[in-house]
Amino acid sequence: EAGVVQSPRYKIIEKKQPVAFWCNPISGHNTLYWYLQNLGQGPELLIRYENEEAVDDSQLPKDRFSAERLKGVDSTLKIQPAELGDSAVYLCASSLEGSSYEQYFGPGTRLTVT
Amino acid sequence: DAKTTQPPSMDCAEGRAANLPCNHSTISGNEYVYWYRQIHSQGPQYIIHGLKNNETNEMASLIITEDRKSSTLILPHATLRDTAVYYCIVRGTGANSKLTFGKGITLSVRP
Repeated sequence: EAGVVQSPRYKIIEKKQPVAFWCNPISGHNTLYWYLQNLGQGPELLIRYENEEAVDDSQLPKDRFSAERLKGVDSTLKIQPAELGDSAVYLCASSLEGSSYEQYFGPGTRLTVT
Repeated sequence: DAKTTQPPSMDCAEGRAANLPCNHSTISGNEYVYWYRQIHSQGPQYIIHGLKNNETNEMASLIITEDRKSSTLILPHATLRDTAVYYCIVRGTGANSKLTFGKGITLSVRP
């Protein structure tokens, strides 16, 4: 069974530039999560989707961050414009349902903003 | 969700049992204890979870005290590949319950 796929694995951009991350969850998983992980910290939830609906985006900085999951399968997280403080690892995870005990994480995208 | 407290780091010898402690003194009756781990440059991986009974699977054992205020994750025969950050998380039930990660405990397994 294929795991959660994320691309790119690494991205380096200059500040004020836009950037997008892509995630393909495990087949059949209705719930998709985006997390942010700063160096030395645990992951922090940015947004949770149930199918194509964003059911929890309370931690998503909406002035510069946006996300979509148009067909309830893969998802894109965008930052525009990027700031130096956005340098972090962006993790995608999926689960069968929101109440499922196990979330499956992808390898993450490491973003460096210069 | 209740918060957890873990020591920042510990080490153990390869082949020996690794006992990772976690305090969750404010846990409520319907909250579960979860453990995830994160190997360097990978995403977190689910290990085990429990409510009040001890649990065991192919990866580890989870021992929860009777008052549920603390727990211990046991890796019975640690290998070098078990070197990782281990997160103890308290999580409620239902779709709106979140995984709230702290800083975790860094386990170093030495040869």
